[in-house]
Amino acid sequence: QSVLTQPPSASGTPGQRVTISCSGSSSNIGSYLLNWYQQLPGAAPKLLIYSNIQRPAGVPDRFSGSKSGTSGSLAISGLQSEDEADYFCAAWDDSLNGPVFGGGTKLTVL
Amino acid sequence: QVTLKESGPALVKPTETLTLTCTVSGFSLSDIRMGVTWIRQPPGKALEWLAHTFSTDEKSYSPSLKNRLSVSKDASKSQVVLTMTNVDPVDTATYYCARIIHFSDSSAYYHYYDYWGQGTLVAVSS
Repeated sequence: QSVLTQPPSASGTPGQRVTISCSGSSSNIGSYLLNWYQQLPGAAPKLLIYSNIQRPAGVPDRFSGSKSGTSGSLAISGLQSEDEADYFCAAWDDSLNGPVFGGGTKLTVL
Repeated sequence: QVTLKESGPALVKPTETLTLTCTVSGFSLSDIRMGVTWIRQPPGKALEWLAHTFSTDEKSYSPSLKNRLSVSKDASKSQVVLTMTNVDPVDTATYYCARIIHFSDSSAYYHYYDYWGQGTLVAVSS
């Protein structure tokens, strides 16, 4: 069981806006920055959002992140078929003295 | 161009020792604010942090696997090696190495993985 809690699945139709939540505690999300990774089918994870809201170069601005208290979320607007992937949240954790991940959310574009 | 590539056996027997190598290019293992982490993913499951090493030679391990893991680096070869002892079928997974960006400022501690290797699938079976 993962330390950070994500819904196992999410879905939307092309053009829609979808949000994926990530819930933690005071020892991780409540105290540290939240990062998001996208894993396309059969591929390695890729950094999508770092430091709560920052996008690496090349990541479309359709992807946005937010954090409040011990939870955060990833929003994808203008959903496209190529966004179909697994999404993982991650944050540093004081108890582990290392990073913790969410269980992942499988996004399906209908 | 930053790249990382994992290498190692595809199949190991239970109780054996697994040794994986991450060869990096495009950055130095001595670069400040950088490090290399090892993360694994059992088939169809979530990511699990295993260990990391920073440019300062600081190392850290997942508490649940600490007794079985060892990480070392050879900066001259641009390689980071992960050793896992006494493997079990539950250790079957794709093992990834990734570059860490980590630093602190007055407001926060930053720690994220900006480049990942392609991963190597390791099966543990007799």
